[in-house]
Amino acid sequence: AQSVSQHNHHVILSEAASLELGCNYSYGGTVNLFWYVQYPGQHLQLLLKYFSGDPLVKGIKGFEAEFIKSKFSFNLRKPSVQWSDTAEYFCAVRGSGTYKYIFGTGTRLKVLA
Amino acid sequence: EPEVTQTPSHQVTQMGQEVILRCVPISNHLYFYWYRQILGQKVEFLVSFYNNEISEKSEIFDDQFSVERPDGSNFTLKIRSTKLEDSAMYFCASSPQLTEQFFGPGTRLTVL
Repeated sequence: AQSVSQHNHHVILSEAASLELGCNYSYGGTVNLFWYVQYPGQHLQLLLKYFSGDPLVKGIKGFEAEFIKSKFSFNLRKPSVQWSDTAEYFCAVRGSGTYKYIFGTGTRLKVLA
Repeated sequence: EPEVTQTPSHQVTQMGQEVILRCVPISNHLYFYWYRQILGQKVEFLVSFYNNEISEKSEIFDDQFSVERPDGSNFTLKIRSTKLEDSAMYFCASSPQLTEQFFGPGTRLTVL
């Protein structure tokens, strides 16, 4: 069955710490990969996406993610987090030939000032 | 920057009643979607809509659900006879092509 796993449900970091959020997926074909962020009281916003090409993709606000096909992973990274990065982060996958996103459970990040 | 909007932000209804959730997608987008998130669970796909017809739907999207694009701007989700387990946050999304989807703020549906 198609699925997306986010292993860290809650992460607490101090400002300036480095961040890595894991995302693994199970899908038997070509995929498009996404990370979305939801700040408190706001809607889901796209952080970055991968369709093809360079597996290291850069997004907004200093975030990046690396697609490792052999590991079915698309981990999100940021070298130095800020208090304003406190939010919930969602990994999503869309298989080729489909319209739907499959979401992970989300990771709540809290950054301490 | 254009955004997807949804109304109402919160809807409370009695079990068995019909509800219509409304969405205004971004104006030049061609693909429209509904997702829902039951409290504490994953965001789940319900349905996608393209060229005035359903292009894909999930097992959740049974005969109690329907979608419509009644005019050039609105996209609605109707639940004919609500059940307690329909209580969830419902998200509308749109996309210009089969690329990234843009999400609305959600409608929280509470079924009593």
